Amino acid sequence: SQQGEEDPQALSIQEGENATMNCSYKTSINNLQWYRQNSGRGLVHLILIRSNEREKHSGRLRVTLDTSKKSSSLLITASRAADTASYFCATEPYTGGFKTIFGAGTRLFVKA
Amino acid sequence: ETGVTQTPRHLVMGMTNKKSLKCEQHLGHNAMYWYKQSAKKPLELMFVYSLEERVENNSVPSRFSPECPNSSHLFLHLHTLQPEDSALYLCASSQDRGTEAFFGQGTRLTVV
Repeated sequence: SQQGEEDPQALSIQEGENATMNCSYKTSINNLQWYRQNSGRGLVHLILIRSNEREKHSGRLRVTLDTSKKSSSLLITASRAADTASYFCATEPYTGGFKTIFGAGTRLFVKA
Repeated sequence: ETGVTQTPRHLVMGMTNKKSLKCEQHLGHNAMYWYKQSAKKPLELMFVYSLEERVENNSVPSRFSPECPNSSHLFLHLHTLQPEDSALYLCASSQDRGTEAFFGQGTRLTVV
């Protein structure tokens, strides 16, 4: 089973609306990261939140982490058509090592 | 540009061919990774090289063979591949474990 699972699998919204994506994981983590991928290209790092942090902001992005529920959310405010992409969470297990595990991603489509 | 360069961008090979994928980073990072991204599947970590260790995903078939001659270059040697190996192969680097990863644009591999 996967460590990180995103929800929903796909999301379609109008430009200007907010988009919220969720990630759940199973084991204790050191940190959780969110990445973005435009179709068929490499991933771009968006934000990293450590296990002792609860919320982090970067521009229009807001990430929360609830370690008691083993879940995280990514909020994109005032979405733009250019935000259309797939978004992935990646967890760094507490056991360490190079074992960053990616979820299957949420496909976001922002209609102009 | 993320600072991680992959070549070639596209590759079509027969099942009896031998080819190599190349990845290069000049970010001064200590760790480099190979990931496989298949349609509708999570990103799969294949190999990691760092100053301290080499980590392998034991589920990766031996027809994939990594090589890391120095901290800036990483290769993935391919031989006698199967059609199910067709996927996007992504290289990434990071300063250390659990830190922000920088991805290349990927090599779209098609095995015929």
